[in-house]
Amino acid sequence: GAGVSQSPSNKVTEKGKDVELRCDPISGHTALYWYRQSLGQGLEFLIYFQGNSAPDKSGLPSDRFSAERTGGSVSTLTIQRTQQEDSAVYLCASSRAGGEGNTIYFGEGSWLTVV
Amino acid sequence: AQSVTQPDIHITVSEGASLELRCNYSYGATPYLFWYVQSPGQGLQLLLKYFSGDTLVQGIKGFEAEFKRSQSSFNLRKPSVHWSDAAEYFCAVGHMGGGNKLTFGTGTQLKVEL
Repeated sequence: GAGVSQSPSNKVTEKGKDVELRCDPISGHTALYWYRQSLGQGLEFLIYFQGNSAPDKSGLPSDRFSAERTGGSVSTLTIQRTQQEDSAVYLCASSRAGGEGNTIYFGEGSWLTVV
Repeated sequence: AQSVTQPDIHITVSEGASLELRCNYSYGATPYLFWYVQSPGQGLQLLLKYFSGDTLVQGIKGFEAEFKRSQSSFNLRKPSVHWSDAAEYFCAVGHMGGGNKLTFGTGTQLKVEL
């Protein structure tokens, strides 16, 4: 597709379960970002991948969160042992390159509800 | 550390009226500033951005924003609002060398009355 694609669009999981969220960036985009949007909150940066460089994981809230990007394209965000406070919209974005001058394009997000 | 404040959680305007959404930032050097719009069921869309140069920035959909360093502000304006502008608006700040790791405000929900 033409835009950033995320799946699933909605996920309800039980507390303590692991979840995986997938992001397919725009073709040719080398930079990929994950953000989290909690109810009533702004977007919170989680992790940033740029090409083959080591990812910037400085925004991950705990060691239950991890992400990988295979082949420089698709990315998976994994949340282990989910907690209710993990309920949020997880937004993926991509840009042509990682510099500030490159517009980032967001997907529609994956709505995660932990019950 | 950088931060963004959007003091208005909700704003209601009449269609055809002018609009100003406030954004204040905190960052020690020259910031990069952005406004995004999020419509129901859609991802965030970039309205405009400021990196340097002319402090009045034009964006899509008839929006503009003005960078005022003395006030640490980057308010978004539109002369005449359309009903389709109803959405949530986010201000964000980045910086040189920060890549696209942006800090977002908590958003302003805009309601347009017909």
